[in-house]
Order: sequence, then C-alpha cells, then structure tokens
Amino acid sequence: AQRVTQPEKLLSVFKGAPVELKCNYSYSGSPELFWYVQYSRQRLQLLLRHISRESIKGFTADLNKGETSFHLKKPFAQEEDSAMYYCALSGAGSYQLTFGKGTKLSVIP
Amino acid sequence: NAGVTQTPKFQVLKTGQSMTLQCAQDMNHEYMSWYRQDPGMGLRLIHYSVGAGITDQGEVPNGYNVSRSTTEDFPLRLLSAAPSQTSVYFCASSSRDRFRDEQFFGPGTRLTVL
Repeated sequence: AQRVTQPEKLLSVFKGAPVELKCNYSYSGSPELFWYVQYSRQRLQLLLRHISRESIKGFTADLNKGETSFHLKKPFAQEEDSAMYYCALSGAGSYQLTFGKGTKLSVIP
Repeated sequence: NAGVTQTPKFQVLKTGQSMTLQCAQDMNHEYMSWYRQDPGMGLRLIHYSVGAGITDQGEVPNGYNVSRSTTEDFPLRLLSAAPSQTSVYFCASSSRDRFRDEQFFGPGTRLTVL
C-alpha cells in the first residue's frame, strides 16, 4: 500500500525566513512524487514534481529515496506563499494519486 | 477552454436523498477522477476513469457510483446520502499519457448532508 505522511498540520513562519514542509512516503517500488498547492479561493494546482527537478516560485524539493522523503523548501518565505500544500505520490503504472493530509503554511508579515 | 467545470458549487441534502455531482472537461482528457477533501484528511480518491466506458474504484468508493459514457463527462452519484458524505468534492482530469505531469482540478462542490 502506498502512503504519504505530512507531519505538520500548520506551519507558521515569518516573512523572509526559510520554509521546509515535510513529506515522507511509503511505497515499495519507484514512486513519482508531487507537491500540489491550494491558495485561498483558488483551485488545487501542481507546484512541482520530483522528476522535473525544477524550482517553481522559489520552491524546490529533492527526492531522498534512502529517507523516503520529499520535503519542500524555500529559502525566503513570502506572504503570497500562504496556502495549503499537499504532497502526493503515484506508483509506477498506477493511475491513482495518493495525497497526504496537507500542511497549511502561514507566512507572518 | 473552460477547463474542468463542476456543478453545483454548493448543495444541501437530507439523509437518504440522492443526487448527482456533475463534472465536465473540454480538454479531451482520457483520465478523470473524483476526490473528497475533508479537514485533517487531505484528498482521498473516490473513483477514477481512464477512458469512456472504463471506471475503477479508488480509496473510498463506498456510497458512490460513477459512469463514463463520454470523454467529456464524469458524474458522481450519491444514491442515499449520509452525513458522513458531507465534504468538498473535487473532480480532476489529465491526458492519459500525461497523468504524471499534471492533474487539472475543478473548483469543487461543497456538499452538506443533514
């Protein structure tokens, strides 16, 4: 069974401080990992996926297979980063996305 | 393109009533899915479809039915609503060969069952 764990329900940081949203996963094969974001009154949208290895809106995430983690990081938080963040996993050959329970990021001005 | 549309935006039902949540997309996507979003539970997959005439169960399918007669539409049916089905429901779609690139989500339907 595949599982995604986001240990923090709420994370509050000050503007300009570093941000790290934690995500751990459980999957027996080679997973694909994603971060989705939901801004207030907007649709859920893809932020980034591990396979593309790119930085979006200053966020990066590295897949660590040894620690089965895919933490989302940003060196300097901005107020517009306040949102709900979901880590998600898809297994090889699967058409199912498994989401974590989400972390609400609040950036304090 | 309208993208993924969902109707209604809000709905209040009484226990035992039935209703259909509508989802449509105009991007010719083969893959469509339904999720429910509950506080503290994240998004959980209810049912999904990889093409017209093909549906499969997700993590929490009980109490819900789906069918996929066209590529564009993927309705979700509640045959006998229960308070436990109070939730926000999201529909998503993608092309089948780009499933792992990005899912496009609808705006959601907020359902309350009394």
